Amino acid sequence: QKEVEQNSGPLSVPEGAIASLNCTYSDRGSQSFFWYRQYSGKSPELIMSIYSNGDKEDGRFTAQLNKASQYVSLLIRDSQPSDSATYLCAVFNDYKLSFGAGTTVTVRA
Amino acid sequence: GAVVSQHPSWVICKSGTSVKIECRSLDFQATTMFWYRQFPKQSLMLMATSNEGSKATYEQGVEKDKFLINHASLTLSTLTVTSAHPEDSSFYICSALNRLAEGRVEYFGPGTRLTVL
Repeated sequence: QKEVEQNSGPLSVPEGAIASLNCTYSDRGSQSFFWYRQYSGKSPELIMSIYSNGDKEDGRFTAQLNKASQYVSLLIRDSQPSDSATYLCAVFNDYKLSFGAGTTVTVRA
Repeated sequence: GAVVSQHPSWVICKSGTSVKIECRSLDFQATTMFWYRQFPKQSLMLMATSNEGSKATYEQGVEKDKFLINHASLTLSTLTVTSAHPEDSSFYICSALNRLAEGRVEYFGPGTRLTVL
């Protein structure tokens, strides 16, 4: 079983819609959770960090964490073409980040 | 967010030469930095953990004598690819660990694209 799994993509949404990304992790002791955005040919950029159960909102982005279900999600509201990228779910285990395979999102104008 | 820089952003070298890549945390001190490699269409692969003032910890399968890491200060880590060969051509990305009040956060540098001819 992979340590971090994301819903398979690619995900295509119309401009202005909500994009929903899901992620599950296997290590119940994990404490730190992240969403990174990676444009093609670029390095990952931190979008959200979340450490406690519940929702965390930052602009058009909302991260949700449920440690009991070992589940992390990211909602992108009012999706824009500039949101088209690969989104990586990452969980800090022990001393390093474990990444999901990524979900590629395409926002159609 | 915090800023991590890398230099150079791209490099082309001949087979057999060595290449040094610098990673700097610009607005925070990082006792721990990480070095990743990413091949096209693949996910990030952690190569090693760099700790200030001590030896780097390499992931399984990564040759420590080929990928030399030095973390001499709280803001600078370097990766030297020794005797580079075409199969070492890849996108090398560093990150720096920032310990905030709410938890740890890892910020990535912009990456260095290495092409070995």
